[in-house]
Amino acid sequence: AQTVTQSQPEMSVQEAETVTLSCTYDTSESDYYLFWYKQPPSRQMILVIRQEAYKQQNATENRFSVNFQKAAKSFSLKISDSQLGDAAMYFCAYRRVYTGANSKLTFGKGITLSVRP
Amino acid sequence: DSGVTQTPKHLITATGQRVTLRCSPRSGDLSVYWYQQSLDQGLQFLIQYYNGEERAKGNILERFSAQQFPDLHSELNLSSLELGDSALYFCASSPPAGDTQYFGPGTRLTVL
Repeated sequence: AQTVTQSQPEMSVQEAETVTLSCTYDTSESDYYLFWYKQPPSRQMILVIRQEAYKQQNATENRFSVNFQKAAKSFSLKISDSQLGDAAMYFCAYRRVYTGANSKLTFGKGITLSVRP
Repeated sequence: DSGVTQTPKHLITATGQRVTLRCSPRSGDLSVYWYQQSLDQGLQFLIQYYNGEERAKGNILERFSAQQFPDLHSELNLSSLELGDSALYFCASSPPAGDTQYFGPGTRLTVL
């Protein structure tokens, strides 16, 4: 079974600074997807970024980028120029390549990010 | 706004009762997933439907059941409720052969 580990329960960053959130996972599969979701105080789950395991290039979405290290099974999220609105819980998630069945997301326990003004 | 809708937003009920949570997926999405988020268990997958058929089951209790209707909306039925069932229940949907799941706003269930 696949597992996702987020070992840091909380992190803090100064506004306008850069922060990196860590995630490791365990799988025996070679192809899969990885995601970061953001959950602000509203509790809505918002997709931040996705990465396809068979792609070497790290995904980037505006101020958000990932460092995907497939051999190390590591998938960290870097937030640049942190803003107050980035304060939220962030979840790392794993999904098998779509097979039509059992394409569930497996989540880590999440990390609470606070942004200091 | 993800395009996934869930009703109700909040539900308060008593132990032993039964409730129904409703989810409407994004237009064109055939897959619906249900997840439970609780403080002690985190985000857990419950069940997946694809175009009306059950596709996968996760950590779903026997007291819980779900279905997906011909118009693709889905309902999650929770019965004989216990205090420990208090949680945030999310529905997510994804397009055919799509890899990304889009989440609804969730239903917060409180069992007293």
